[in-house]
Amino acid sequence: QVQLVQSGAEVKKPGASVKVSCQSSGYTFTNYDINWVRQATGQGPEWMGWMNPNSGATGYSQKFQGRVTMTRSTSISTAYLELSDLRSDDTAVYYCARSGFGMGVNFDYWGQGTLVTVPS
Amino acid sequence: DIQMTQSPSSLSASVGDRVTITCRASQSISTYLNWYQQKPGKAPKLLIYAASSLQSGVPSRFSGSGSGTEFTLTISSLQPEDFATYYCQQSYNTRAFGPGTKVEIK
Repeated sequence: QVQLVQSGAEVKKPGASVKVSCQSSGYTFTNYDINWVRQATGQGPEWMGWMNPNSGATGYSQKFQGRVTMTRSTSISTAYLELSDLRSDDTAVYYCARSGFGMGVNFDYWGQGTLVTVPS
Repeated sequence: DIQMTQSPSSLSASVGDRVTITCRASQSISTYLNWYQQKPGKAPKLLIYAASSLQSGVPSRFSGSGSGTEFTLTISSLQPEDFATYYCQQSYNTRAFGPGTKVEIK
């Protein structure tokens, strides 16, 4: 069965970086995009960007351009999200989610979420 | 950027009620619209994709319709497990989510 398993909770200081991992199993890792979505407490989901694990191509939300990097290791079917220059308003649960390519995609499988806390 | 809005932001309903949630896009997105259900402490769950296609395993009481700029999610007979927050998502260009509609017990 398809599973996306994320790394554990993180506490980071303002100005630091965080790297969250998302290990995939149960399907061919390079056949689907990995997206990253975050959700602050009491807020709706916020899409951050996508990565194509086959080519390494990425597409980032304008809001996060310059602060976000999405990478992968195909040998271990794992995607990574790195967010730099952390601020208190980056405190949120970060999810990875699988999708197809291009327009008209949907997020059919999700990781369990990783809580990133940036104390003010 | 395309802006997504949802109405209402919250509603109270009883088990067995028919519930309709509306999602509007600031410009036409054809049928590139998905619906998700989210319960507290859980990841969103895909219910409807491409505006009207039911995701595998989702009960048939959920249905979606619309195209262009206006879309609806309908729950034909609300069940206890349906009390949750519902989000629309456009996949026309960015993959942004709407602000959500919380369905509460009356």
